[in-house]
Amino acid sequence: EPEVTQTPSHQVTQMGQEVILRCVPISNHLYFYWYRQILGQKVEFLVSFYNNEISEKSEIFDDQFSVERPDGSNFTLKIRSTKLEDSAMYFCASRLTSGSYMETQYFGPGTRLLVL
Amino acid sequence: ILNVEQSPQSLHVQEGDSTNFTCSFPSSNFYALHWYRWETAKSPEALFVMTLNGDEKKKGRISATLNTKEGYSYLYIKGSQPEDSATYLCAPTGGGNKLTFGTGTQLKVEL
Repeated sequence: EPEVTQTPSHQVTQMGQEVILRCVPISNHLYFYWYRQILGQKVEFLVSFYNNEISEKSEIFDDQFSVERPDGSNFTLKIRSTKLEDSAMYFCASRLTSGSYMETQYFGPGTRLLVL
Repeated sequence: ILNVEQSPQSLHVQEGDSTNFTCSFPSSNFYALHWYRWETAKSPEALFVMTLNGDEKKKGRISATLNTKEGYSYLYIKGSQPEDSATYLCAPTGGGNKLTFGTGTQLKVEL
């Protein structure tokens, strides 16, 4: 069964460093997302991406964050200068089409990011 | 911003017990409700998507109901098994494409 994969599973970085989190969405999906969960808090939406551009982003997704689909398979989240408060589990998700709010979003297993 | 609450926050039951938990959300601007099951170190797994008031969905021993007028959904597990131990997340959508998650209910089924 097709699945969303994410690498790495864990990443430790120093404050101020750049990190890139990688995701491989399900191959025929068109709509991609990043969510995160800070420990003890709710899973929260960061950004959605369709047709090679951001379609929606949250207040969290400031200039320190960027997303890219560099080739036909990968979808990346870059944090330019990490802060302590960026420590969280980051989830990638994908969906088949662009049209329906009823459609299931399929999640990856997450990348646990720890900023020291 | 949708305010989504789930209760209880955590639950311990014995194997064979039936259990249920609640997801509350604003009834205005409601489009759909998603339920996910999330086991530690695994991907959140989609259980149900519901849209209509009175909707009921079932998947094995797990079922869910939806009341869009009063803004709640119940998830039921019949005859809980240890493999049901997970965090159950609900997420309504308000017309946009993003999911707004609740706090989750952490279920532990003990032998």
